[in-house]
Amino acid sequence: GAGVSQSPSNKVTEKGKDVELRCDPISGHTALYWYRQSLGQGLEFLIYFQGNSAPDKSGLPSDRFSAERTGGSVSTLTIQRTQQEDSAVYLCASSLRGGNTEAFFGQGTRLTVV
Amino acid sequence: RKEVEQDPGPFNVPEGATVAFNCTYSNSASQSFFWYRQDCRKEPKLLMSVYSSGNEDGRFTAQLNRASQYISLLIRDSKLSDSATYLCVVNSNYQLIWGAGTKLIIKP
Repeated sequence: GAGVSQSPSNKVTEKGKDVELRCDPISGHTALYWYRQSLGQGLEFLIYFQGNSAPDKSGLPSDRFSAERTGGSVSTLTIQRTQQEDSAVYLCASSLRGGNTEAFFGQGTRLTVV
Repeated sequence: RKEVEQDPGPFNVPEGATVAFNCTYSNSASQSFFWYRQDCRKEPKLLMSVYSSGNEDGRFTAQLNRASQYISLLIRDSKLSDSATYLCVVNSNYQLIWGAGTKLIIKP
């Protein structure tokens, strides 16, 4: 079946613009994660959705960042008024039942803010 | 203290050698453990789950030590293609917590 799909794969935007990144998780997976990864660095947790529970937003670096997950499926990560330090690869992962099951990643969105 | 800690490396290892990584975790209630592999500029991919009894998949062996709260990954007869970053993952409070990864470089 289809894996986790992210779009766009690459995004170049001007400083100050808003961007939306999309994630289509594996069908039936109740948990969805967003991470950020800069070159040569580890995964930085951003936000976690699990079923109908309130999301864990503790990793969002500022109020310019927000995320939604509609209908328990597709998720959108929005970055408002982008800054150069937002440039990174944004990775989405989904898992069947949250922390007890392995996560599967999309190929990521490479965001470049110029 | 981080919830999941790994030696960042890099580990420079000759082809054919055996190499082992450890990963320590802080939440004694953790129940699920995984090793992932990440190649440069690629997304992480599951290498293997880690079971209480330990498990083996070809050249790779994973073990769990609950008393000392660490998991290990052993790679035997290392290949050039094993060069990658290896990420340790532990569940904690219903989430997956990731180590920063250990970089492995296999040299011919």
